[in-house]
Amino acid sequence: AQSVTQLDSHVSVSEGTPVLLRCNYSSSYSPSLFWYVQHPNKGLQLLLKYTSAATLVKGINGFEAEFKKSETSFHLTKPSAHMSDAAEYFCVVSDWTGNQFYFGTGTSLTVIP
Amino acid sequence: DSGVTQTPKHLITATGQRVTLRCSPRSGDLSVYWYQQSLDQGLQFLIQYYNGEERAKGNILERFSAQQFPDLHSELNLSSLELGDSALYFCASSVADRSTSYEQYFGPGTRLTVT
Repeated sequence: AQSVTQLDSHVSVSEGTPVLLRCNYSSSYSPSLFWYVQHPNKGLQLLLKYTSAATLVKGINGFEAEFKKSETSFHLTKPSAHMSDAAEYFCVVSDWTGNQFYFGTGTSLTVIP
Repeated sequence: DSGVTQTPKHLITATGQRVTLRCSPRSGDLSVYWYQQSLDQGLQFLIQYYNGEERAKGNILERFSAQQFPDLHSELNLSSLELGDSALYFCASSVADRSTSYEQYFGPGTRLTVT
């Protein structure tokens, strides 16, 4: 079975400081992993995805994530937080068919001015 | 704007009732996915249709059903509604039937409140 665990339900950073949102996955095969962002009262937007190519994945808005098989992790990072980054972030793993997505419980990011 | 539209935006109804949520995918997308987002269950995949055919099923209750029409829009029918069905229901679309390589584009959601 596939699952993801987001290790922090809330993360608070100051504007201009680095962001780290942690995600561990469980999968019986080589997974496809995604990070989505949800701004208040909005739908979800794809930030980046890993599909067995380069282990360091670059996404939109300066975010990136590194796939570490030995640690079963797919942590999301950004060098410098911006106020507009305040949102809910979801780590997602797909099943082997690519048809079913399994979402983490989400991490709420607060950016302090 | 993702290009995925959902109607209505908000829906308030009573227990025991039936409602229909509508989703129009992005132009050219053949797959439609339905998700439920609630405070206690988080985001859960319900069901996927590809070009009119059911392709995958997740945690969808028997009281819920969906279909995709020839023009590719989809409807999610929720019946015998219970208080616990109150949630945000998202629709997403994708160009292909497998999302490992293709992004899912999410609509703004329909907020259902059951009283």
